[in-house]
Amino acid sequence: DAGVIQSPRHEVTEMGQEVTLRCKPISGHDYLFWYRQTMMRGLELLIYFNNNVPIDDSGMPEDRFSAKMPNASFSTLKIQPSEPRDSAVYFCASSSGWPTEAFFGQGTRLTVV
Amino acid sequence: DAKTTQPTSMDCAEGRAANLPCNHSTISGNEYVYWYRQIHSQGPQYIIHGLKNNETNEMASLIITEDRKSSTLILPHATLRDTAVYYCIVSLPPLSGGGADGLTFGKGTHLIIQP
Repeated sequence: DAGVIQSPRHEVTEMGQEVTLRCKPISGHDYLFWYRQTMMRGLELLIYFNNNVPIDDSGMPEDRFSAKMPNASFSTLKIQPSEPRDSAVYFCASSSGWPTEAFFGQGTRLTVV
Repeated sequence: DAKTTQPTSMDCAEGRAANLPCNHSTISGNEYVYWYRQIHSQGPQYIIHGLKNNETNEMASLIITEDRKSSTLILPHATLRDTAVYYCIVSLPPLSGGGADGLTFGKGTHLIIQP
């Protein structure tokens, strides 16, 4: 398996634009997590899904952020409208069952100018 | 409030055992202890986890005190490639109620392996 795949790896966008980050979890995994990492705040859990259903979105910073998982092999994190303070590395991770190890993707580095 | 307390940074000589402490004095009975590490610019990598008993795998050993209020991650023969930020996490299983929060990362310990 190729692991958790995130796209794009890098994204530069202007303030006010919509940004969509994509994640393909490892096949067969039933948990999917979205994280954001900045120097100031470290790694923050934004939301996680179980069997495509959002379980806890209390980490989503505000209404500008939304996440979907339309099927077991794909998830998106959307920011609309984007702001400079959204600049960060966004990681997606997946795991099979609980407790077990979570596998992280390589991340998407988002820069909002 | 952070559930775990770790030193900000540690040094260890290459080839020696690296012992990384973690305090989790408020851990509840069904919370697991997880260790992850993050090498610069990469996604976090799972190392090991445990509930009550000590655990060992090909990467490391996890020693959990009998009262479960602290634990130690041991890298038996540290190499330069082990330089990373190491995160100790305590977590309830999801869907268990009571505010299960998946895997919540703190600040971690920056481990530097010296040649």
